Amino acid sequence: NAGVTQTPKFRVLKTGQSMTLLCAQDMNHEYMYWYRQDPGMGLRLIHYSVGEGTTAKGEVPDGYNVSRLKKQNFLLGLESAAPSQTSVYFCASKGQVSSTEAFFGQGTRLTVV
Amino acid sequence: DAKTTQPPSMDCAEGRAANLPCNHSTISGNEYVYWYRQIHSQGPQYIIHGLKNNETNEMASLIITEDRKSSTLILPHATLRDTAVYYCIVRGGSQGNLIFGKGTKLSVKP
Repeated sequence: NAGVTQTPKFRVLKTGQSMTLLCAQDMNHEYMYWYRQDPGMGLRLIHYSVGEGTTAKGEVPDGYNVSRLKKQNFLLGLESAAPSQTSVYFCASKGQVSSTEAFFGQGTRLTVV
Repeated sequence: DAKTTQPPSMDCAEGRAANLPCNHSTISGNEYVYWYRQIHSQGPQYIIHGLKNNETNEMASLIITEDRKSSTLILPHATLRDTAVYYCIVRGGSQGNLIFGKGTKLSVKP
């Protein structure tokens, strides 16, 4: 059981480039989340999804877009990367809104130069 | 807002109990207290949660005060592998998202 898998694990982008981060879960979970973590900080919610075909904004959504075309996948896109988006990105999933445990991926370390 | 207050760092000797405090004075009656930990920038890992009663599992114990305004996570016999940042979370998002503060960096020393 792989749980939550994030691809890629590391990436360096030039300012203005675009990229997509992939989060895949094999637990048939409804809820999926994208967080970012900056040095010395806790995780902040970027976007989330409550089911296939749905997305919603979190605390820090600007500069990011998301899609949930398939239940098992949640994609995070950066259309025009900026140095301020240098961060570690974590994906998480849970079965229901009331589920007691969220499962996190291992993170994607993104550097924008 | 994270809705919780934790000390930024703590030390613990290997083999001793680690007691990590958390204040959540504005917690509402139906909000749970969750604890997660993050080892060396890996993804956060669930530890335990509770509402009113004390809870124990294979990883830790959670003691919640009677007024629910504070709690303590107890690692009974800390090992070097327990060195991590520990987050106390009162679930705040209406869609089940976790709201993280800065947590407590626990250093377990030989």
